[in-house]
Amino acid sequence: GAGVSQSPSNKVTEKGKDVELRCDPISGHTALYWYRQRLGQGLEFLIYFQGNSAPDKSGLPSDRFSAERTGESVSTLTIQRTQQEDSAVYLCASSLGWTARLGTQYFGPGTRLLVL
Amino acid sequence: AQKVTQAQTEISVVEKEDVTLDCVYETRDTTYYLFWYKQPPSGELVFLIRRNSFDEQNEISGRYSWNFQKSTSSFNFTITASQVVDSAVYFCALKNRDDKIIFGKGTRLHILP
Repeated sequence: GAGVSQSPSNKVTEKGKDVELRCDPISGHTALYWYRQRLGQGLEFLIYFQGNSAPDKSGLPSDRFSAERTGESVSTLTIQRTQQEDSAVYLCASSLGWTARLGTQYFGPGTRLLVL
Repeated sequence: AQKVTQAQTEISVVEKEDVTLDCVYETRDTTYYLFWYKQPPSGELVFLIRRNSFDEQNEISGRYSWNFQKSTSSFNFTITASQVVDSAVYFCALKNRDDKIIFGKGTRLHILP
């Protein structure tokens, strides 16, 4: 597709349930990022994938959060045993590469997660 | 360590006024990139500009202009003759050569009709 796509666009879940969020990066983009944005707040880095390298998981807030990416395609972000504080917009971005020269990120529309 | 500071949390101006959004960064690297993104009420972040650390030439794109000053570690963004459609949250960001991108907390800009 032309841009980064994310699904679902909105997700309402009950506390304690697991959720899976999906990101389709721009074709040919080797780098993929996940961010969290709480209401009225800035972007909080979660995890970063670059090609076949080990992902940078330094931003994951707890072991309830995990993400996978198959090759240079789709990524899924999984949140287990969701808590109300997990409510936020989860943004995915992709870029051509991981060096700064190629690192301009293009963002998807986000998934709005609400945990009741 | 990298850091991006956007000291202005929220700004309101009347339409047609000029407005400058400040961005100050910290990095130890000599090679780095600076970015500005716009997040309109719809929520999707829109890339505006990327500038590398070796190019201090100011950039103008229509009503938008950027002033990069290495001496003060600033990369400020000016909107001339603001319009209501410019209302959004604007994020400044920094990326070192091999590191992840770091975003400032954003400046919420209100353009009043």
